[in-house]
Amino acid sequence: DQQVKQNSPSLSVQEGRISILNCDYTNSMFDYFLWYKKYPAEGPTFLISISSIKDKNEDGRFTVFLNKSAKHLSLHIVPSQPGDSAVYFCAASGDTDKLIFGTGTRLQVFP
Amino acid sequence: DTGVSQDPRHKITKRGQNVTFRCDPISEHNRLYWYRQTLGQGPEFLTYFQNEAQLEKSRLLSDRFSAERPKGSFSTLEIQRTEQGDSAMYLCASSLRGAGEEKLFFGSGTQLSVL
Repeated sequence: DQQVKQNSPSLSVQEGRISILNCDYTNSMFDYFLWYKKYPAEGPTFLISISSIKDKNEDGRFTVFLNKSAKHLSLHIVPSQPGDSAVYFCAASGDTDKLIFGTGTRLQVFP
Repeated sequence: DTGVSQDPRHKITKRGQNVTFRCDPISEHNRLYWYRQTLGQGPEFLTYFQNEAQLEKSRLLSDRFSAERPKGSFSTLEIQRTEQGDSAMYLCASSLRGAGEEKLFFGSGTQLSVL
């Protein structure tokens, strides 16, 4: 049972435009959500997070939106840069503290 | 801050052999996690420790897998009688419980290939 889903395996965006990565979850006990970025042959790197008491969190070019009623969150990157090309994982945690990850979305930013 | 360190980075072994991986967490972190990632999938939780206590084990962790964190610092993950299906990236992460929202810092992983 996949509790965290990223239905788009890949996304291609032109440099300077907005990248929108989506994530859906099924477990209503999740109360903390994170986005990680992963380059090949490296471990995931924390990008941004949001608590369930908020609906938006912003950090520079990265903004995460949370819609609890729809059990949906999204990551917006604007403007997108070639260095943003990586695999992005959505993750969630609840009362057990361990993170449950989605399957990832590969973002490619082209010039 | 030296980050989370994992050793070795790569391991090639023959089916049936035993392998052991080591993880050194960020020094002040009291929680340590093991995850496994296969191609096209996200990291899957295996087990985690708070200090030296193993608090949870996933059903993915068969009896051939054992993890230890003897002094609440580094951890080892051993796989006995390896199978080809064990081929994966094994990721270690650490965090500081009580620091607020739980954010895991990952190492670069150990890539295991079972021939």
